[in-house]
Amino acid sequence: DAGVIQSPRHEVTEMGQEVTLRCKPISGHNSLFWYRQTMMRGLELLIYFNNNVPIDDSGMPEDRFSAKMPNASFSTLKIQPSEPRDSAVYFCASSFHSLAGPTTYEQYFGPGTRLTVT
Amino acid sequence: RKEVEQDPGPFNVPEGATVAFNCTYSNSASQSFFWYRQDCRKEPKLLMSVYSSGNEDGRFTAQLNRASQYISLLIRDSKLSDSATYLCVAPLRGGGNKLTFGTGTQLKVEL
Repeated sequence: DAGVIQSPRHEVTEMGQEVTLRCKPISGHNSLFWYRQTMMRGLELLIYFNNNVPIDDSGMPEDRFSAKMPNASFSTLKIQPSEPRDSAVYFCASSFHSLAGPTTYEQYFGPGTRLTVT
Repeated sequence: RKEVEQDPGPFNVPEGATVAFNCTYSNSASQSFFWYRQDCRKEPKLLMSVYSSGNEDGRFTAQLNRASQYISLLIRDSKLSDSATYLCVAPLRGGGNKLTFGTGTQLKVEL
């Protein structure tokens, strides 16, 4: 079975440019998470969705960041305009979350997008 | 206080050694915990889930001590390929299905 798919794997862009990161979660999973990882701050949750609805975006650094999930199999994280301090690895993860029964919290990560903003 | 705290290491051990990592958590209501493994420049990968007192999978054993609010990961007969960063993970307090990740413990297994 395919795991979480992310694209692009690497992105190098100039300050001020728009960057769009893409994610396809594992089929059947109903929760999707966007994380950012840096050496200084570790792994930070940016935003997560349940059933395509954004539940918590408190981790989004500022208005330059936005995320969408138009359907159960696709999500985007957009940075506009990008800045050098946005350079990091951005991971997408998915899991199955049930309100009706036992909740499985395990999250499965995609390979990440390594973003460099010059 | 951080929700999950780990010793960052690094732990340098010879091949074949037994090594243990501890992790403390602050949310006493947490019911499930996880250990993830992350190799350099790779994504975190789920290693073990801990829902009760512990879990064992081959050379890996995870134990949960609810009274003291810590979980441990024991690796027996360590291999060179075990070299990685091990992340302790717990549900975020009041966070629905959000997880909080420790900063990781680095393990280096040497010849």
